[in-house]
Amino acid sequence: QSVLSQPAFVSGSPGQSLTISCTGTSSDVGAYNDVSWYQQSPGKAPKLMIYEVSNRPSGVSSRFSGSKSGNTASLTISGLQAEDEADYYCNSYTRSTTFVFGTGTKVTVL
Amino acid sequence: EVRLVESGGGFIQAGGSLRLSCAASGFGVSDNSMTWVRQAPGKGLEWVSVMYTAGEKVYGDSVKGRFTISRDTSKNTMSLHMRSLRADDAALYFCARVGGSGGYIYRNAFDLWGQGTMVTVSS
Repeated sequence: QSVLSQPAFVSGSPGQSLTISCTGTSSDVGAYNDVSWYQQSPGKAPKLMIYEVSNRPSGVSSRFSGSKSGNTASLTISGLQAEDEADYYCNSYTRSTTFVFGTGTKVTVL
Repeated sequence: EVRLVESGGGFIQAGGSLRLSCAASGFGVSDNSMTWVRQAPGKGLEWVSVMYTAGEKVYGDSVKGRFTISRDTSKNTMSLHMRSLRADDAALYFCARVGGSGGYIYRNAFDLWGQGTMVTVSS
């Protein structure tokens, strides 16, 4: 199983928007609309931010949005805030009925 | 309260075995698919195993043949029996619920997580 590819670091100033990409293959990201995104702050368990590519669970800010094109999914954070500083991971269900995580992206708010 | 609590982590020598448990409250482990995810110190998340509601068990390549996932509905717990442990199995192990519960359905997403239990492997 290969991991999904994400940029290691992404940064932005407060109020700006930033996008994190998540690139997989036709066997995972491209196979189904079962891509999810997780936010992890230091010492904490991951938190579900986006499911089924673009849906937000109750309680997650509308500043977080997701999309997918082909084998690449994306997470966009709009109106960046200091509290958004964290690690972000994508995850995809696969044709093998397994799951695979992305390599993770550290978001820094300048 | 809906929560997951892991236990069973510890210090183990390479080649040894360890059994992790995940106690669920507020929902039934047999009503949901349940999964294990691990994170080595300073590293990213790695998916380990899933047990689907119908009972199918699936494993990641790095643990296949060594780890076994199971559930005990009488105790409302999920377990991960780890054998032939290696140095690269050392990590914080999280259990998580797959797909939501009640009126909240999050298909193939991990919506509820425990705080994790640490496994240290000595070579």
